Amino acid sequence: DGGITQSPKYLFRKEGQNVTLSCEQNLNHDAMYWYRQDPGQGLRLIYYSQIVNDFQKGDIAEGYSVSREKKESFPLTVTSAQKNPTAFYLCASSIVGLAGVSEQYFGPGTRLTVT
Amino acid sequence: EDKVVQSPLSLVVHEGDTVTLNCSYEVTNFRSLLWYKQEKKAPTFLFMLTSSGIEKKSGRLSSILDKKELFSILNITATQTGDSAIYLCASVQGGNEKLTFGTGTRLTIIP
Repeated sequence: DGGITQSPKYLFRKEGQNVTLSCEQNLNHDAMYWYRQDPGQGLRLIYYSQIVNDFQKGDIAEGYSVSREKKESFPLTVTSAQKNPTAFYLCASSIVGLAGVSEQYFGPGTRLTVT
Repeated sequence: EDKVVQSPLSLVVHEGDTVTLNCSYEVTNFRSLLWYKQEKKAPTFLFMLTSSGIEKKSGRLSSILDKKELFSILNITATQTGDSAIYLCASVQGGNEKLTFGTGTRLTIIP
């Protein structure tokens, strides 16, 4: 079964702790993305990566870090520097063809609660 | 700064009505526009639009892009309760393939 998996589904952490959210895809997609969604808001881009070992900051990268050591994996670390980390986090991947990005496929999301 | 604005933010209609959702964009090096439906968790893909004036259609849903006026609309005819969701549009920037999402339109269909 091809797709994107995110784990865990729900995550609870104490303030001041770093936490890493997992995102894996077996679609052989080149590009991967991390978004954050807050209630009543759309998706805001945190980081994205078009190829292995390369990634770019999105619109709200502060307090987050990523790595892209393998094509299939794009983990996101929410650091203690992120002021308001409680949110719903979505990972996505897409093919990047000659015409650029086509549709994005989304994972099921991780809901992070920091208290 | 790239910007995608959706309107209305929220819409409540009766089953059977037709709705039009709007998406305007200001994006450097615009390449394409994507529409998604988000019900509970992950958004699901609806349409990708790259050319102006060409309607894309899937069942009761259709969408069109106007690259001169920098907007797109999503139409849903004969709405059903299963159409209740948040509808998101996103612009794709050429070169870096960066997506910028709007805040979404929350559509509620009353039986």
